[in-house]
Amino acid sequence: GAGVSQSPRYKVTKRGQDVALRCDPISGHVSLYWYRQALGQGPEFLTYFNYEAQQDKSGLPNDRFSAERPEGSISTLTIQRTEQRDSAMYRCASSRGLAPDTQYFGPGTRLTVL
Amino acid sequence: QQPVQSPQAVILREGEDAVINCSSSKALYSVHWYRQKHGEAPVFLMILLKGGEQKGHEKISASFNEKKQQSSLYLTASQLSYSGTYFCGTLLRASQGNLIFGKGTKLSVKP
Repeated sequence: GAGVSQSPRYKVTKRGQDVALRCDPISGHVSLYWYRQALGQGPEFLTYFNYEAQQDKSGLPNDRFSAERPEGSISTLTIQRTEQRDSAMYRCASSRGLAPDTQYFGPGTRLTVL
Repeated sequence: QQPVQSPQAVILREGEDAVINCSSSKALYSVHWYRQKHGEAPVFLMILLKGGEQKGHEKISASFNEKKQQSSLYLTASQLSYSGTYFCGTLLRASQGNLIFGKGTKLSVKP
């Protein structure tokens, strides 16, 4: 079956603009996770959902970052007033069962803020 | 508290063995191992759960020493396809979903 998909795969934006990154989890997966990964580093946790409920947002760097999963399927990570330091690979993962089940990662969205 | 992985990098010849370690200063509930090839997403390999339950990949094994809070990933008779960066992710409690990843171990297998 299809894996986790993310869109767009690449996003270039100017400083100060808002961006919305989308994640489509594996069908039927109940939990969804957002990570940020810098080059040469491991993924850094941002937030996660069980169904539509946001369980932990302790990894969101500041209040410019927010995420939602209104119907318990697709999720959107929004970054307002982007800054150059937000440039990174943003990865989404999903798991069949509730956390802490096995997480399957998507291909990521490469965000570049000019 | 980010887990510490060692070594940072290792170069092997095809057929050789390697061990990658992941240590934590906190008591762990589980350790998750992933392999990531350049430009690709991390791929799940193995989960080690507190209490010794192990789930994962048939050609790679791992252990979890609860006393030391250390997990080791064993790669035997390495193949070229084993090349990549290996990450361990840790959870402190069963109710959590926020994997904390180490900095990774870069494995290169040469013919």
